[in-house]
Amino acid sequence: NAGVTQTPKFQVLKTGQSMTLQCAQDMNHEYMSWYRQDPGMGLRLIHYSVGAGITDQGEVPNGYNVSRSTTEDFPLRLLSAAPSQTSVYFCASSYFPAGRPQQTQYFGPGTRLLVL
Amino acid sequence: EDKVVQSPLSLVVHEGDTVTLNCSYEVTNFRSLLWYKQEKKAPTFLFMLTSSGIEKKSGRLSSILDKKELFSILNITATQTGDSAVYLCAVEGLNGGATNKLIFGTGTLLAVQP
Repeated sequence: NAGVTQTPKFQVLKTGQSMTLQCAQDMNHEYMSWYRQDPGMGLRLIHYSVGAGITDQGEVPNGYNVSRSTTEDFPLRLLSAAPSQTSVYFCASSYFPAGRPQQTQYFGPGTRLLVL
Repeated sequence: EDKVVQSPLSLVVHEGDTVTLNCSYEVTNFRSLLWYKQEKKAPTFLFMLTSSGIEKKSGRLSSILDKKELFSILNITATQTGDSAVYLCAVEGLNGGATNKLIFGTGTLLAVQP
């Protein structure tokens, strides 16, 4: 099992550019999520999905889009990057027993994004 | 507004010391409190606490929850340099929707010196 994988590990973008952060898991987890981690702010939920074809907004969704066409993949899209999106992005997945996905969430290694 | 506050923000100790990390919370419809250890990359799960007064233990790490006073502590005894990390506290609450909410604290940075 590879667990949760993320690509790229590091990316530099110019303001206005678009890109997709990839996330994949091979544990057949129903629940997947994207967080951003900023100094002094903790981890904040961007978007999440409770299964293929189902996505919803988290705490800080603006500027990001997601889709979930398969159980394994949950890409995060930045349509027009802004300096405020400079952050470390973590993808996570877990089982989804009775609406409680946060138990033993598995995190990917993170993508460090710098927007100039 | 829901919040999770961790203290101290950072801590430097020597190997062999015992440390106590604190997490206080105000989260509506509390379900559980989780502790994670984050080294250079992804957070890794340590404990989940749902009941007051029941200590969870794993080796030199232990944690307990007080639901009346709304806080949890994470203890590490006989610290080692490998314990150096950011320790994250997160609180799960009912959200009324398809999934529960998870509120993270900003973490405590622990540095263990040889």
